[in-house]
Amino acid sequence: EDQVTQSPEALRLQEGESSSLNCSYTVSGLRGLFWYRQDPGKGPEFLFTLYSAGEEKEKERLKATLTKKESFLHITAPKPEDSATYLCAALNAGNNRKLIWGLGTSLAVNP
Amino acid sequence: GAVVSQHPSWVICKSGTSVKIECRSLDFQATTMFWYRQFPKQSLMLMATSNEGSKATYEQGVEKDKFLINHASLTLSTLTVTSAHPEDSSFYICSARPMGEETQYFGPGTRLLVL
Repeated sequence: EDQVTQSPEALRLQEGESSSLNCSYTVSGLRGLFWYRQDPGKGPEFLFTLYSAGEEKEKERLKATLTKKESFLHITAPKPEDSATYLCAALNAGNNRKLIWGLGTSLAVNP
Repeated sequence: GAVVSQHPSWVICKSGTSVKIECRSLDFQATTMFWYRQFPKQSLMLMATSNEGSKATYEQGVEKDKFLINHASLTLSTLTVTSAHPEDSSFYICSARPMGEETQYFGPGTRLLVL
């Protein structure tokens, strides 16, 4: 069964303290791995799409990487405004092309 | 780019009434749009996939007669919650996928409260 697992569930960092969020996936024929940021009461905001193992993408303090089994979202020198829930989703190769979602990592960055 | 809007952002209605939520892709065309529901502190639950000009595909357990979806153009999909009841109260989010892409872009969500 296709599955996406995110860890940790929650993470509290001090401002400037770098860390990584993990997204492990078991998906038949991965067509894409997606990272989103979601603030309370809002829809997910797109961050990155990764398509193949070894691919990396960066945006400001965020960097996403992908292997054949997992993806990491690295946060360098986070700021309080990076506090949010980060969601990972995988797209399988099936005909339905549905996203399989993780439960998210709730990140809090203290000033 | 890739902006998706939803209207209204929040709605309060009486039990038994119907509520329509609009989802628009503002700067791209989307042959496929999706409707999700999200409960507090949970991830997104896909309700249905909507393709322009054809009937929506509903996920198992989602009543198609209760949640009517229309995707009449490449930039607009609507979700109508018919005869709403308090248990339909939730956060509804739409997303749109540009033609030729795999990425879904999400709207800001609609908070529905049924009294």
